Amino acid sequence: QITLKESGPTLVKPTQTLTLACTISGFSLTSSGVGVGWTRQPPGKALEWLALIYWDDDKAYSPSLKNRLAITKDTSKKQVVLTMTSLDPVDTATYYCVHRQVSVSGSRAFDIWGQGTLVAVSS
Amino acid sequence: DIQMTQSPSTLSASVGDRVTITCRASQSFRSSLAWYQQKPGKAPKLLIFDASSLQSGVPSRFSGSGSGTEFTLTINSLQPDDFATYYCQQYDTYLWTFGQGTKVEIK
Repeated sequence: QITLKESGPTLVKPTQTLTLACTISGFSLTSSGVGVGWTRQPPGKALEWLALIYWDDDKAYSPSLKNRLAITKDTSKKQVVLTMTSLDPVDTATYYCVHRQVSVSGSRAFDIWGQGTLVAVSS
Repeated sequence: DIQMTQSPSTLSASVGDRVTITCRASQSFRSSLAWYQQKPGKAPKLLIFDASSLQSGVPSRFSGSGSGTEFTLTINSLQPDDFATYYCQQYDTYLWTFGQGTKVEIK
């Protein structure tokens, strides 16, 4: 059974850097086709995809945020880590870790989601 | 970037109704579209992928269709558990973008 669990600070000050970790179980970060990423949701608003890292260490970023984001993986810790710089109150959101579907059809939907972690940006 | 626009933003319906939600894309693609259901305080759940493929474990009253720039999610015989917010998502470009969501509420 695949599970994802997010961890990180619940409160960050403006201008600071946010670091979130997603701890995975039930699969390997190095298995062919695997992708794990991050999506966020401000309170009462829509979902926004942020970044994704593939089994071969290739990465993809939201064009609107790519200058502020970095995604890495630590296979020994079974973690995917997202770093976001220059935090602003508008970055207040629930941040979800997501698993990209591995499908014979080539689907790249997100079939497994973590429970999410709420991060508030405030002084 | 491909932009996704859902309509309506809010939909009022009764148990047993047939409900249709539309998602329009800013540029055409074949079938790289998913639908998710989200309930308050919970993570989204994948319902449909590749525009019309039902995710394992999802009830058959949910169906998806469309290609090009217009896609639809249909819920046949709406059940009490279906009152939620629904999002479309495209993944055609190896980037992912979501629609703004459609809230299905009780009439």
